[in-house]
Amino acid sequence: GAVVSQHPSWVICKSGTSVKIECRSLDFQATTMFWYRQFPKQSLMLMATSNEGSKATYEQGVEKDKFLINHASLTLSTLTVTSAHPEDSSFYICSAREPGLHNEQFFGPGTRLTVL
Amino acid sequence: AQSVTQPDIHITVSEGASLELRCNYSYGATPYLFWYVQSPGQGLQLLLKYFSGDTLVQGIKGFEAEFKRSQSSFNLRKPSVHWSDAAEYFCAVVPLKAAGNKLTFGGGTRVLVKP
Repeated sequence: GAVVSQHPSWVICKSGTSVKIECRSLDFQATTMFWYRQFPKQSLMLMATSNEGSKATYEQGVEKDKFLINHASLTLSTLTVTSAHPEDSSFYICSAREPGLHNEQFFGPGTRLTVL
Repeated sequence: AQSVTQPDIHITVSEGASLELRCNYSYGATPYLFWYVQSPGQGLQLLLKYFSGDTLVQGIKGFEAEFKRSQSSFNLRKPSVHWSDAAEYFCAVVPLKAAGNKLTFGGGTRVLVKP
């Protein structure tokens, strides 16, 4: 099956700094990638849909200026958490949609962000 | 409102026993249906999916799921659980008429396996 990677797998940063998370589709081209956030013992919440070459579409309640998404190529999307604060600490998961009849999504392994 | 419901937050099962995880959805038309598994600190792995056709779907790791239109359900089953099946399981749907083919997840069911 299709493989999606994320980097880094975990990151610890100081409050006020910015953190960039990369999501790559390794063996297919993904015109659409998705970013999810998962709090401990909770389900995944969609944050935004990232489309190659265009602006991301954010879900209601997600701050666009806080979570910057760039999808500059068909295999890479980045999520930048700007001016991170402890409440931004979470598990961030990306997925990439493989073009096809059913547009199946493949998930990355996730990035654990801890803001001190 | 459109939703995906996993009624059981936790399930504890003995190793070797059978397992069934429930999933119900409320959408006007039958959506695409998925089951994912997540081990602690890991991403999601697709167990199986249903788009159309045979309502009994076979997946990886010995899992299967049955789509029942009349009950709006897509329950996941495994005849004999192994200790390695301890994980969080998520049911997810893609509504056919939703823009962007976004996945909507259920709340998840945590499975604990007793020796």
